[in-house]
Amino acid sequence: GIQVEQSPPDLILQEGANSTLRCNFSDSVNNLQWFHQNPWGQLINLFYIPSGTKQNGRLSATTVATERYSLLYISSSQTTDSGVYFCAVALFYGGSQGNLIFGKGTKLSVKP
Amino acid sequence: DGGITQSPKYLFRKEGQNVTLSCEQNLNHDAMYWYRQDPGQGLRLIYYSQIVNDFQKGDIAEGYSVSREKKESFPLTVTSAQKNPTAFYLCASTQAWGGTVDYGYTFGSGTRLTVV
Repeated sequence: GIQVEQSPPDLILQEGANSTLRCNFSDSVNNLQWFHQNPWGQLINLFYIPSGTKQNGRLSATTVATERYSLLYISSSQTTDSGVYFCAVALFYGGSQGNLIFGKGTKLSVKP
Repeated sequence: DGGITQSPKYLFRKEGQNVTLSCEQNLNHDAMYWYRQDPGQGLRLIYYSQIVNDFQKGDIAEGYSVSREKKESFPLTVTSAQKNPTAFYLCASTQAWGGTVDYGYTFGSGTRLTVV
């Protein structure tokens, strides 16, 4: 099956710093999503980004499908950005969406 | 507002007991999923359903059962056969079928199950 590797596993930042999180995947995919899990466990979908670049405020993501990686950029980090960031990928089969396969996540701690 | 509601937030199970976790969505999504998360780990798929009255086993289905009698609802039963059920359980939904739509998943807020 598809393997999803995220790096780094842990990241500590000072408030205001920028960061880049990486997701590598082992096979061609046509669905890639980034999620943020807050300290209470709620998972929020940040980006649906099978290819290309998207931006949403201080967050942006780029997926290079041909090279099998995706990057999540966090600029001017805030303490509320703390939590775990997951990358997940899937394939489509016969016109319907396949199941997401999750990486182990990057745990981000932003210090005031 | 549309979303996914999971209940209860916290659940305690005695040895040998079956318990059922509720998941309801009002997003008109076709597909629904149950994931299990253990501390410091990613999410592992338990069961999924692409359409009403049909569901499939995921990677760790043993000791669990589901039903999909309505599009909006996808309850998960943790049976006594599940030997290590203490975990955080997350339900999700998404569009399943074709077209140029955003297939982003929406997750519920989760249920923490503890065996006592």
